[in-house]
Amino acid sequence: AQRVTQPEKLLSVFKGAPVELKCNYSYSGSPELFWYVQYSRQRLQLLLRHISRESIKGFTADLNKGETSFHLKKPFAQEEDSAMYYCALSGPGRRALTFGSGTRLQVQP
Amino acid sequence: DAGVIQSPRHEVTEMGQEVTLRCKPISGHNSLFWYRQTMMRGLELLIYFNNNVPIDDSGMPEDRFSAKMPNASFSTLKIQPSEPRDSAVYFCASSWEGTGSYNEQFFGPGTRLTVL
Repeated sequence: AQRVTQPEKLLSVFKGAPVELKCNYSYSGSPELFWYVQYSRQRLQLLLRHISRESIKGFTADLNKGETSFHLKKPFAQEEDSAMYYCALSGPGRRALTFGSGTRLQVQP
Repeated sequence: DAGVIQSPRHEVTEMGQEVTLRCKPISGHNSLFWYRQTMMRGLELLIYFNNNVPIDDSGMPEDRFSAKMPNASFSTLKIQPSEPRDSAVYFCASSWEGTGSYNEQFFGPGTRLTVL
C-alpha cells in the first residue's frame, strides 16, 4: 500500500531561518512525488514536483530513494511562506494523489 | 478561466437528508477527482474519472455515496442519507491526463459540509 508520512503537524520558525519540512513515503515501484501548498484563503496548488527538479519560491526538494524521503527545504524563510504544506505521491498506474497529513509552517517576524 | 468551480461552498444539513455537491472542471481537462478532507484522515481520494468514466472508486466510503459525470463539464457527488460523520471539506480537482508522466491537478475551493 502506498503511504505518505509528514511527521510534523506544525513547524514554527523565525524569518530568515532555514526551513525543512519532512516527508517520507512508501510505494512499490517508482512514484512521482509532489509538494502542494495552501495559503490562507486560497486553493490548494502545486508547489513543485520531483521530476522537474526546479526551485519554486526558493523551495527545493530532492527525492532520496534510499531513504524514501522527499523533504522540502528553503534556506531563508519569509513571512509569506506561512501556509499548509502537503506532500503527495502518484504512481504510473494510479493518477490520483495520495497525500500526507500536512504540515503547517508558521514564519514569525 | 475561473478554474475549477464547486457549489455550494458551504452546506449545513440534518442527518438523513440528501446532499448533492457539484463540480465544474477546467475546460479541456479530461480527468476529475473528488477528495475529502477530515481532521482524522486528512485528504483522501473518493473517486477519479477519466473521460467521464469512473476509473478508481476505491475511496468511496459506502453505498450512501455516489458520483456521476454525465459530461466533460459537470460532476456530482451525492450522499444519501447523510450522517454526522460525513462532515468534511470536499474538494474537486481536474487535470489533463495523457500517456506519460503526471500532469498538475487543479483544485477547486472546496465545499464545507456540516451534517447535524
